[in-house]
Amino acid sequence: DQQVKQNSPSLSVQEGRISILNCDYTNSMFDYFLWYKKYPAEGPTFLISISSIKDKNEDGRFTVFLNKSAKHLSLHIVPSQPGDSAVYFCAASESGANSKLTFGKGITLSVRP
Amino acid sequence: NAGVMQNPRHLVRRRGQEARLRCSPMKGHSHVYWYRQLPEEGLKFMVYLQKENIIDESGMPKERFSAEFPKEGPSILRIQQVVRGDSAAYFCASSLQTGGTYEQYFGPGTRLTVT
Repeated sequence: DQQVKQNSPSLSVQEGRISILNCDYTNSMFDYFLWYKKYPAEGPTFLISISSIKDKNEDGRFTVFLNKSAKHLSLHIVPSQPGDSAVYFCAASESGANSKLTFGKGITLSVRP
Repeated sequence: NAGVMQNPRHLVRRRGQEARLRCSPMKGHSHVYWYRQLPEEGLKFMVYLQKENIIDESGMPKERFSAEFPKEGPSILRIQQVVRGDSAAYFCASSLQTGGTYEQYFGPGTRLTVT
C-alpha cells in the first residue's frame, strides 16, 4: 500500500524554466512533508519541508506548496539549472509519532542546457 | 562539520555470511533511523533508535535483522545469514527532533551485494 505516491517517474525541462514535481499522499495522519534530492551512489540530501499548518514554504529557488484537502503537494524549482538533474523524493511523517519517514518512489528530473 | 557517516560504503558478502553496517550520526544528534532502498524503489523505513533504546522496529524483517545504538560508538545494523534478496542500499539518517522540526539527514549509504 503506497501511502506516498509520485506518479510521474520522470520529468525533463529546459534550463531556466520552471520544474514542477508532484506528490500525493493517502494517510490523513501525515502532517509534515519533506523533499529530498538524490544523486546516484549518494545519500538523499534534504531540500525543503513544510508543516501542515502552512500551505507554502519558500527557500531560494525552491518552493513547496501543500493542498491538504487534496492531499497533494508540489515542489517548484525556478529557474531550473542543469545541476538540479537528480532523483527527487517526496517524504511524509506524523510529527506526533516517532517521525519515521514514508517515501515515494521518486521522480527523475533532467534539466537540459 | 561532519555529516552522517556510514561504513563501509560497499560490502560484498556470500550467502549465509553476516553483514555489519555502521552509522555515526551528525554531532549532537541522538536519533538514528535506518532505511533500505531496493532498485527502482523509494526508501523504506526499517528501524528507529535512540541511545541504548529501540524506539520503533516496525519495518525490520522478523528474522536475521537486528540493530543497536550503544551508549558509546556508532549504530550497527546487523544482517545474519544474508540472502540475495538482502542486496540493496542501506541508508542511515539522524535528526535532532527539537523545536518541532523533523528533518532527517542522511549518510552516503552502504551498498550491500550478496553473491
